[in-house]
Amino acid sequence: EAGVAQSPRYKIIEKRQSVAFWCNPISGHATLYWYQQILGQGPKLLIQFQNNGVVDDSQLPKDRFSAERLKGVDSTLKIQPAKLEDSAVYLCASSLVLVEGYTFGSGTRLTVV
Amino acid sequence: GDSVTQMEGPVTLSEEAFLTINCTYTATGYPSLFWYVQYPGEGLQLLLKATKADDKGSNKGFEATYRKETTSFHLEKGSVQVSDSAVYFCALNGNKLVFGAGTILRVKS
Repeated sequence: EAGVAQSPRYKIIEKRQSVAFWCNPISGHATLYWYQQILGQGPKLLIQFQNNGVVDDSQLPKDRFSAERLKGVDSTLKIQPAKLEDSAVYLCASSLVLVEGYTFGSGTRLTVV
Repeated sequence: GDSVTQMEGPVTLSEEAFLTINCTYTATGYPSLFWYVQYPGEGLQLLLKATKADDKGSNKGFEATYRKETTSFHLEKGSVQVSDSAVYFCALNGNKLVFGAGTILRVKS
């Protein structure tokens, strides 16, 4: 089966600019996740979707981050305006069953300068 | 809330040495436990999993046993190779996947 697709692979922006990341999960996976992985740390959950509804966004900085999953398939994560501390790898993952392991995409490496 | 604690790295071993990476967890209920691996420049890959107490997950020579009494899920391999050099993450899933900080493994030839 095809994996989780993410784009772009890399992005460099200046602080206060905006940026968007795209994710296409594995076909049939109802649950989609966005994680933030800062260098030297483990991934941290930003938001979880079940179909096109938000299940958990408790750690999403809502003043600058937003995410949507239209039609319960693809998802977009946006940062506006970006700060230096947003530099990280943004990982998208999907799963078929809630308590099983997730399949991760290759991630988008964001550098804010 | 749920949390995972891993031994700090980096762990540096010679080829064919025995590997142990310690992982302990705190969770309500009975989560599933996982080890993920991240090779240089690549994404996270599921290495092995265990879904209930006393289960042993295994893959590619790596093993980990779900120990409810010690809330642990230590990763072991009998003989490491240079190609095992990577970052290893322990994780639990109660109702969402929570990761430890990761342990860097370096294997020298």
